[in-house]
Amino acid sequence: EIVLTQSPDFQSVTPKEKVTITCRASQSIGSSLHWYQQKPGQSPRLLIKYASQTISGVPSRFSGSGSGTDFTLTINGLEAEDAAAYYCHQSTSFPTFGGGTKVEIK
Amino acid sequence: GLLVESGGGVVQPGRSLTVSCVASEFTFKIYAMHWVRQAPGKGLEWVAAVSYDGTKDYYTESLKGRFTISRDNSKNTLYLQMNSLTVDDTAMYYCARDAALVPGWNSDFDIWGQGTFVTVSS
Repeated sequence: EIVLTQSPDFQSVTPKEKVTITCRASQSIGSSLHWYQQKPGQSPRLLIKYASQTISGVPSRFSGSGSGTDFTLTINGLEAEDAAAYYCHQSTSFPTFGGGTKVEIK
Repeated sequence: GLLVESGGGVVQPGRSLTVSCVASEFTFKIYAMHWVRQAPGKGLEWVAAVSYDGTKDYYTESLKGRFTISRDNSKNTLYLQMNSLTVDDTAMYYCARDAALVPGWNSDFDIWGQGTFVTVSS
């Protein structure tokens, strides 16, 4: 099983600030890494696919990078509506998810 | 595309339960489908997947033999049969569409349902 380790677990951020969330895979997964946003009481929503590919309807302040074992989700200019949990997910082998990062607005 | 789960509820430990997911607004029969669960206050856990035609199924190791995923393409419906339930199975169960082109099965999950909650309690 490929283990995904996200950091940090929790982040409290001021609006307009830049947010960086990392996801490290226990072995190389190429670019088969996807990011989801889950707001309280809602189901997850796909934000970024294959490490850096954008999704229609997702604000441009969300971007992804990385390959192999190290990946990053960046939110450039956090907005209040971005308060949520963020999860990475790999699809190289049987799917696994990272433990999640909760982003709180200060 | 839309996915709507149903069938959750309270079930006693050791009993069985089947949850369903009805798809609409897309061609269900050409997509692999998944179940993902989330225990209260916890992260996401992949449970199982089924190929577009239902001939292949895949499970997370810890649930293999106890959970069964299936689909009925004539009814645009995905199922998850859960046997010998324990309190650790208490969770929100989401169905999700795999974005892979047929006959693939393992890609990003581009559509999610709203979930159905299963409580295992005596």
